[in-house]
Amino acid sequence: EIVLTQSPTTMAASPGEKVTLTCRASSSVSYMHWYQQRSGASPKLWIYETSKLASGVPNRFSGSGSGTSYSLTINSMETEDAATYYCQQGSSYPLTFGSGTKLEIK
Amino acid sequence: EVKLLESGGGLVQPGGSMRLSCAASGFTFTDFYMNWIRQPAGKAPEWLGFIRNKANGYTTEYNPSVKGRFTISRDNTQNMLYLQMNTLRAEDTATYYCARKGGARYWYFDFWGPGTMVTVSS
Repeated sequence: EIVLTQSPTTMAASPGEKVTLTCRASSSVSYMHWYQQRSGASPKLWIYETSKLASGVPNRFSGSGSGTSYSLTINSMETEDAATYYCQQGSSYPLTFGSGTKLEIK
Repeated sequence: EVKLLESGGGLVQPGGSMRLSCAASGFTFTDFYMNWIRQPAGKAPEWLGFIRNKANGYTTEYNPSVKGRFTISRDNTQNMLYLQMNTLRAEDTATYYCARKGGARYWYFDFWGPGTMVTVSS
């Protein structure tokens, strides 16, 4: 099973600040996918195939990475970006998720 | 508009069984792999398994963590997805989601339902 480790576990950012969340895989994966989950809601696909933004996702978000190291970046933090973000790999079964990064607004 | 709506959750005793349902609409159901994913409160999601589409014979794959206890099925005439859960344990307590496989080639979940909560407790 591929274990995904996200860091940091929790962080707070000020409006306008640049934010980078990381996801490290225990083995190399072809792509990484990211989900945003707001409190009380189901996860939403946010970034897929490492760098493609899902429908409706603002272009201040971007994704990058390869092999075992991936990241999600917010160019300029906004209040509505406060949520938990999960990475997910689809390269091997069982499909697995990271433990999440909770992003708060300062 | 793609919609997924789970139902059937509730309270069940340890060792009991429960069947969850997911009603799908807004897309050609038989074209897509469908998944079940669960999420204990305050924890990360856990993929449970999927059932393939018509082109791939509606076969199934499971996470080893639930293989042998959980069974995924679908009724393509009603656009319904099911999760039969047997021998339930306290650690099965979670919100259960159905989700559609998004990519043709790569594994991600492009639509999720709102979830149904399952509590396993005496």
